[in-house]
Amino acid sequence: AQKITQTQPGMFVQEKEAVTLDCTYDTSDPSYGLFWYKQPSSGEMIFLIYQGSYDQQNATEGRYSLNFQKARKSANLVISASQLGDSAMYFCAMREAGANAGGTSYGKLTFGQGTILTVHP
Amino acid sequence: NAGVTQTPKFQVLKTGQSMTLQCAQDMNHEYMSWYRQDPGMGLRLIHYSVGAGITDQGEVPNGYNVSRSTTEDFPLRLLSAAPSQTSVYFCASSPGTGVFEKLFFGSGTQLSVL
Repeated sequence: AQKITQTQPGMFVQEKEAVTLDCTYDTSDPSYGLFWYKQPSSGEMIFLIYQGSYDQQNATEGRYSLNFQKARKSANLVISASQLGDSAMYFCAMREAGANAGGTSYGKLTFGQGTILTVHP
Repeated sequence: NAGVTQTPKFQVLKTGQSMTLQCAQDMNHEYMSWYRQDPGMGLRLIHYSVGAGITDQGEVPNGYNVSRSTTEDFPLRLLSAAPSQTSVYFCASSPGTGVFEKLFFGSGTQLSVL
């Protein structure tokens, strides 16, 4: 089963409008972290926002906010007032505490398939 | 402040050749990892390390070897390159393995195997 699912291969939004990128996750770990990364056409991975499983409030970072619904296991990224420079691939990711057979905490980060966002002028 | 440095940026190999992708970080991070990125599949974990001398397999380890002799370096070895290994490879690190710790990424290596 997929640990992280992004069901929107592509999204389009008009400049200055808000857009929501969907992300659902699957874990039995009570402690986990959820991340969003942006990958522009230049290829680098840019960290956007983080949400912890125990955080009571939704995370916000400037124009980015995370709509965290723990019971639904969803962590949607909301971008307000879209800009042309927001056109990029966006990845949702989850980091679980977990442990391997030897008991060492491994903290692997698992990524979704990504959503390509295109902002129209 | 270099962060995570990957070399080379581009590489073309012939089937059966071997090579090593280099990754170095100067942030004293304990955790290092290698991902491959393929269209429609996101980033998939190849191998990771939680400290010098400790490595483990990720989701897609076949055909790749790693070692971690120092905190700074985490090279990825392709033993006998195959066309299926054509991909973009990213090295990433974090201070530790805490669920709150974000990964810092290198700029990637685009590998083509003919």
